[in-house]
Amino acid sequence: DGGITQSPKYLFRKEGQNVTLSCEQNLNHDAMYWYRQDPGQGLRLIYYSQIVNDFQKGDIAEGYSVSREKKESFPLTVTSAQKNPTAFYLCAALSTVGTGELFFGEGSRLTVL
Amino acid sequence: KNQVEQSPQSLIILEGKNCTLQCNYTVSPFSNLRWYKQDTGRGPVSLTIMTFSENTKSNGRYTATLDADTKQSSLHITASQLSDSASYICVVPEANSGYALNFGKGTSLLVTP
Repeated sequence: DGGITQSPKYLFRKEGQNVTLSCEQNLNHDAMYWYRQDPGQGLRLIYYSQIVNDFQKGDIAEGYSVSREKKESFPLTVTSAQKNPTAFYLCAALSTVGTGELFFGEGSRLTVL
Repeated sequence: KNQVEQSPQSLIILEGKNCTLQCNYTVSPFSNLRWYKQDTGRGPVSLTIMTFSENTKSNGRYTATLDADTKQSSLHITASQLSDSASYICVVPEANSGYALNFGKGTSLLVTP
């Protein structure tokens, strides 16, 4: 089935460690996004990519990094510079055809111990 | 600044009752408006996409309306079920950019027996 796969579903990290969250899509969509979701808050944009080898910072990019070496993959690295990384992270892919179907992954919950 | 405002922030209803969620937006120019359902700990799932020319669209017990003149949308849930308990998110893309997405903070709905 077409969709977006995020892994891992749950991740625990010690302070000072970098972690990478995986996002893979088989929808052939050009645009991909990473969002952070905290309790009681809306989705906040971390990074987005419109095309391979290109990406732009979102509203809360500090402490995060991404790469887009393949159309299917858009991994997010949460670095030790991110002061409050415990959150629920969502990856999404947007079709630029027609009205543009927007699909989300199932999310990754990161907890810093 | 393009904004999407949802109300109420939270809502509790009895199983079998109807309810209506609101979404007001200031995004311009407008191309489409999307409603998503997000179960706790899961990724958002699309309910409807409404374009400028559509006033009403149904998806089972979910009916979305759009008034592009007043920039308001509503999501009506009929004969609520316990499984309707979730967060409902309104998303309005920016027409010119094709990639910029504006999210409401969501309405948290709890359906009780």
